[in-house]
Amino acid sequence: DTGVSQDPRHKITKRGQNVTFRCDPISEHNRLYWYRQTLGQGPEFLTYFQNEAQLEKSRLLSDRFSAERPKGSFSTLEIQRTEQGDSAMYLCASSWPAGRETQYFGPGTRLLVL
Amino acid sequence: LAKTTQPISMDSYEGQEVNITCSHNNIATNDYITWYQQFPSQGPRFIIQGYKTKVTNEVASLFIPADRKSSTLSLPRVSLSDTAVYYCLVGGVYSGAGSYQLTFGKGTKLSVIP
Repeated sequence: DTGVSQDPRHKITKRGQNVTFRCDPISEHNRLYWYRQTLGQGPEFLTYFQNEAQLEKSRLLSDRFSAERPKGSFSTLEIQRTEQGDSAMYLCASSWPAGRETQYFGPGTRLLVL
Repeated sequence: LAKTTQPISMDSYEGQEVNITCSHNNIATNDYITWYQQFPSQGPRFIIQGYKTKVTNEVASLFIPADRKSSTLSLPRVSLSDTAVYYCLVGGVYSGAGSYQLTFGKGTKLSVIP
């Protein structure tokens, strides 16, 4: 299976700790997206990359959040000094840019901040 | 951003055809309409995408009237495994640098009853 993969699938941390999530997109896709989803809500856009360039960041992405895609392949999302409000599912998606945009999602990383 | 409106929930019996309608009155000329399915604790899964008229694939049909101000996802003969949240999205990220334009709403929670 060459779908989008995310690691870890689950993370429990204590408030104030730093966490890092990894996303491996579909190999031929050069766009990569990060979303956050809380219970009962749809996914909310955080940021996206085209190759290694971070082209847009949502206002939801506070200074404690940083995302990288150093070689235009996998990406990492780091949350520093986690807060209980950061508890959510973090989803990664990838796509191949064309006239129409179809994003393929990974299974997500569920974060619980105690 | 084109806003979408869809029912919060729907119930259906197994074997019935289910139609979920989404309103998107301010859809732009270049916008596509995309539907995703999401099961609990999983990432959204692409179902179908269209621009106008009718699109059909192995799992669903998408009906889009001429004015494109609404769309209807049709699921033939649903089974218990179709119980999920269905999201209607309008927009797309276009080639080259540009503003992200995909927004998830709360979706429609479909419950299939035996």
